Amino acid sequence: NAGVMQNPRHLVRRRGQEARLRCSPMKGHSHVYWYRQLPEEGLKFMVYLQKENIIDESGMPKERFSAEFPKEGPSILRIQQVVRGDSAAYFCASSLRRVNEQFFGPGTRLTVL
Amino acid sequence: AQTVTQSQPEMSVQEAETVTLSCTYDTSESDYYLFWYKQPPSRQMILVIRQEAYKQQNATENRFSVNFQKAAKSFSLKISDSQLGDAAMYFCACDSGNTPLVFGKGTRLSVIA
Repeated sequence: NAGVMQNPRHLVRRRGQEARLRCSPMKGHSHVYWYRQLPEEGLKFMVYLQKENIIDESGMPKERFSAEFPKEGPSILRIQQVVRGDSAAYFCASSLRRVNEQFFGPGTRLTVL
Repeated sequence: AQTVTQSQPEMSVQEAETVTLSCTYDTSESDYYLFWYKQPPSRQMILVIRQEAYKQQNATENRFSVNFQKAAKSFSLKISDSQLGDAAMYFCACDSGNTPLVFGKGTRLSVIA
C-alpha cells in the first residue's frame, strides 16, 4: 500500500515563474492537506481539500497561491510568480476521515532563485 | 484560536536513558486529538503517537508514551531506552476537526552515544 506521494521532491524556480507541486494521497483517502515549513519552523497549515472541493483555505495566501484536488488525478498546489520568500518545504498529507491520523508525504523542497 | 507550545527548542539524552519532551496546548474545543510527530534529517514526517482527548488512559507505543494532563492542557512525550535513531525534530500537534491541525515549533532531540 503506497504512502502519500509527492513530486517533484526538489524544485528550483526563478523569481516570476510558476511552481506546481503534486500530491497523490494514500489509496482510499479523500482528504488532502497542504502545509508549508520554513527552516527551523514547524509546519503551517495552508489548505484542506476533499475531492473537488476546497474545505478550508484559511492558511493560504490570497494571491498567487491556489490548490485543487480533481476527481481524477493528484492534488495540485500552484504558486504563480514565485518570490524568494516562497522558498520552503511543502508537505502534503492525507487522511481517511476528517480528524483522523494524517499521513504525510516526503515533501517538496522549493527553492526560488 | 488553537495554539501549541513547545518550550524546549533543544534537548539531549544519553543512549539508553529516558527523556521527556514538553508540550502545552490551548483549544476551546471539547473534542480533539493530540499527536507527536518525528521529523528525522530526511524531513519525512512520521507519526509517533496519538491521543484522543476523551480517553483518560495515556497512549503508549513501545518505547514512547505520553503524559496527558487534560485540565492542565499538557501533553508530554516520554522516550524510554533512547536509541541513536531517535535523534530528530519532534513536533507536537493538536487537531479539533473544526480548526486545522496546528503544530508546535518543535524540539530538536540529540542522542549521545
